[in-house]
Amino acid sequence: AQSVTQPDIHITVSEGASLELRCNYSYGATPYLFWYVQSPGQGLQLLLKYFSGDTLVQGIKGFEAEFKRSQSSFNLRKPSVHWSDAAEYFCAVGARNTDKLIFGTGTRLQVFP
Amino acid sequence: GAVVSQHPSWVICKSGTSVKIECRSLDFQATTMFWYRQFPKQSLMLMATSNEGSKATYEQGVEKDKFLINHASLTLSTLTVTSAHPEDSSFYICSATPSWGSLAFFGQGTRLTVV
Repeated sequence: AQSVTQPDIHITVSEGASLELRCNYSYGATPYLFWYVQSPGQGLQLLLKYFSGDTLVQGIKGFEAEFKRSQSSFNLRKPSVHWSDAAEYFCAVGARNTDKLIFGTGTRLQVFP
Repeated sequence: GAVVSQHPSWVICKSGTSVKIECRSLDFQATTMFWYRQFPKQSLMLMATSNEGSKATYEQGVEKDKFLINHASLTLSTLTVTSAHPEDSSFYICSATPSWGSLAFFGQGTRLTVV
């Protein structure tokens, strides 16, 4: 079955610390992979995506993610977190020939000053 | 980038009434739009795929007679929650993909509260 797992429901970090949010997927074919961020009561903003090519992808706001096929993972990283990064982060997977996305359960990030 | 707009942003309705939510692609045409539902502190779950000029495709467990979807033009899809009940209270989000791309753009969402 197709699924996305985000093992960490809630993560708290200090401002300036590094961050890694985990994402594992189960998918029958080569997937499109996405990370979205959602502020409270808001829609989704795309941080970055992986379709093919270089497995380390750069996104907006200083985020990056690495696709590791052998581990079925697509973890999101940021070297230094800012207080404004506090939000809910969703990993998602889609097929190459459709735009229907399967979302993980999300990771809520709290940032302390 | 492409912009998708939802209206209204929030709505409160009485139990038993119907509510219509609009999803518009403002600067591109989209033959397909998707409707998701997000319960508090949970992830987004795909409800249905809205196809311009044809019937929507519903995910398993989603009542098509309760959640009516109309995709009458290449820039507009509507979701009508019929005979709403408190358990329908949720955050509804749509997405649309430009015909020139393969990346979905999301609306800002509509928070529905049924009292």
